[in-house]
Amino acid sequence: DAGVIQSPRHEVTEMGQEVTLRCKPISGHDYLFWYRQTMMRGLELLIYFNNNVPIDDSGMPEDRFSAKMPNASFSTLKIQPSEPRDSAVYFCASSSLLGVNTDTQYFGPGTRLTVL
Amino acid sequence: AQSVAQPEDQVNVAEGNPLTVKCTYSVSGNPYLFWYVQYPNRGLQFLLKYITGDNLVKGSYGFEAEFNKSQTSFHLKKPSALVSDSALYFCAVRAVGNTPLVFGKGTRLSVIA
Repeated sequence: DAGVIQSPRHEVTEMGQEVTLRCKPISGHDYLFWYRQTMMRGLELLIYFNNNVPIDDSGMPEDRFSAKMPNASFSTLKIQPSEPRDSAVYFCASSSLLGVNTDTQYFGPGTRLTVL
Repeated sequence: AQSVAQPEDQVNVAEGNPLTVKCTYSVSGNPYLFWYVQYPNRGLQFLLKYITGDNLVKGSYGFEAEFNKSQTSFHLKKPSALVSDSALYFCAVRAVGNTPLVFGKGTRLSVIA
């Protein structure tokens, strides 16, 4: 299995631009999570989906952030417009209630976002 | 609401010595506890978890963790540290059901040759 795939790995953009981060979960996993990691706040959950449906988006910082999961194998996190304080590493993780490693979240390599 | 505390920002240990990275938690009901490791510029890698059963859980790379319900702790241990174990370690907890993990702030482990 290829694991959780995220793209791009690095993104540098200017303030005000739209940024789209992408995630492909592990095949067969029905939960998908978006986290953000910063030095100041550590790892924090932004939103998570179950069977492509958003379950809890209370961690999304503001309306500039949106996330979608149009199908079981793809999710996007969009920031529009981006601001310097959005600079962070964004992780996607997936998990399943079935199988050998049920309950375990597997993380992608992350997208390092820098907003100038 | 659940929470995790990792009281040490940094742990230094000599290669070959035993290591312990501390974690305490708070959760309603039975806890699901996890340890992850993060190497520089990499994602989080799953090390081990406690769901139920034996209080001593064995995981990847020779790591183990001991669940202590009375002390609400889940300390990560390894009998003999390697330089390659140097990384950032995260403890995480969640309640029953496939709900999101709540992470501690992380502990940076430095193993010195």
